[in-house]
Amino acid sequence: GAVVSQHPSWVICKSGTSVKIECRSLDFQATTMFWYRQFPKQSLMLMATSNEGSKATYEQGVEKDKFLINHASLTLSTLTVTSAHPEDSSFYICGFLGNTIYFGEGSWLTVV
Amino acid sequence: GQQLNQSPQSMFIQEGEDVSMNCTSSSIFNTWLWYKQDPGEGPVLLIALYKAGELTSNGRLTAQFGITRKDSFLNISASIPSDVGIYFCAGTPIIQGAQKLVFGQGTRLTINP
Repeated sequence: GAVVSQHPSWVICKSGTSVKIECRSLDFQATTMFWYRQFPKQSLMLMATSNEGSKATYEQGVEKDKFLINHASLTLSTLTVTSAHPEDSSFYICGFLGNTIYFGEGSWLTVV
Repeated sequence: GQQLNQSPQSMFIQEGEDVSMNCTSSSIFNTWLWYKQDPGEGPVLLIALYKAGELTSNGRLTAQFGITRKDSFLNISASIPSDVGIYFCAGTPIIQGAQKLVFGQGTRLTINP
């Protein structure tokens, strides 16, 4: 299957700061990609869908000004959590749309 | 919005037993996918189903796309310790002009040796 690299795997930040998570597809190009969030022992919840060169489409209840998505190219997307709060602590997973969705390894964010 | 109901939520079985889990939806889906997630990692695709009635196997895993396009099941035969993990069904609902993948709640599989 396709390889998607997500970085960092783990990050701890102070409340009020911003954190950037990078998602890169290593062996294919994709116009569409997704960002999911997963709280402990829960399922993956779609946060937003983005197409390269366009603004992201956010799911209901997800603040677009807090979770900034930049889909810079067909192989790179970033998620920036701005003014992070402890309740933003979660597992964030990106996925690129090919013939199916290929997921990154995920990033654990802990806000203290 | 579109929701997937996955059951059971958890399973405790003996090594060697067969496993069955399923997902249902109130709306029609274009695609059904089954993923396995190990702790601290992203989900890994096990089986993808694209047509109603499709039955696909991947080793000891078998999955089917329901004829009504509103359900799917996953079977694991002769379970082994490395099958432990959380299994998610996922599907792409029919949404005009958009494509997204929604997930079921997951089935946590525990195997007693």
